[in-house]
Amino acid sequence: AQSVAQPEDQVNVAEGNPLTVKCTYSVSGNPYLFWYVQYPNRGLQFLLKYITGDNLVKGSYGFEAEFNKSQTSFHLKKPSALVSDSALYFCAVRDARVDSSYKLIFGSGTRLLVRP
Amino acid sequence: IAGITQAPTSQILAAGRRMTLRCTQDMRHNAMYWYRQDLGLGLRLIHYSNTAGTTGKGEVPDGYSVSRANTDDFPLTLASAVPSQTSVYFCASSQDRAQDTEAFFGQGTRLTVV
Repeated sequence: AQSVAQPEDQVNVAEGNPLTVKCTYSVSGNPYLFWYVQYPNRGLQFLLKYITGDNLVKGSYGFEAEFNKSQTSFHLKKPSALVSDSALYFCAVRDARVDSSYKLIFGSGTRLLVRP
Repeated sequence: IAGITQAPTSQILAAGRRMTLRCTQDMRHNAMYWYRQDLGLGLRLIHYSNTAGTTGKGEVPDGYSVSRANTDDFPLTLASAVPSQTSVYFCASSQDRAQDTEAFFGQGTRLTVV
């Protein structure tokens, strides 16, 4: 069965500092991994995904994520945080096996708070 | 504008009543999903559909049913609502038969069961 863990309920960082939001996953086959962001009273917006190839994936708004197969992790990073990055972030996984379903499983979310 | 439309945006429902949350997409996506979002629990998958005519159970299917009569619509029905079904419900879809495509989300339906 697929599962995602986001061990931190909240991450606090000062504006201009680097940020990391952690995600680990479990899936039977190879993973397809995704990060989404949710602003207050809004739906989820796609940030980036890992499919195959380069372990470092670049996405929207200057975010990037690093896939580490041995640690089954897909941490979200940004070199310099902005106050406007404050939001709820979700990691998600889908099993890449051809015969698996399209089920997309999410973590519990991490609230990012960037202080001025 | 292409996307996913959910209706209603919010609803207060008496316990025991039947309710259908509507979801329509105009992107011709094959896969569709229903999630509920609860504080501290993130998004949990209720039901999904890989393609029109097929549905599957997610992580928390009890008390909910879905149908997928065509590509565009994926309604979620609560046969007899209970207070524990108070939540924000999100519908999503993803493109074609590729599992590496991201999902697109609607704006959500806030449901309160009293």
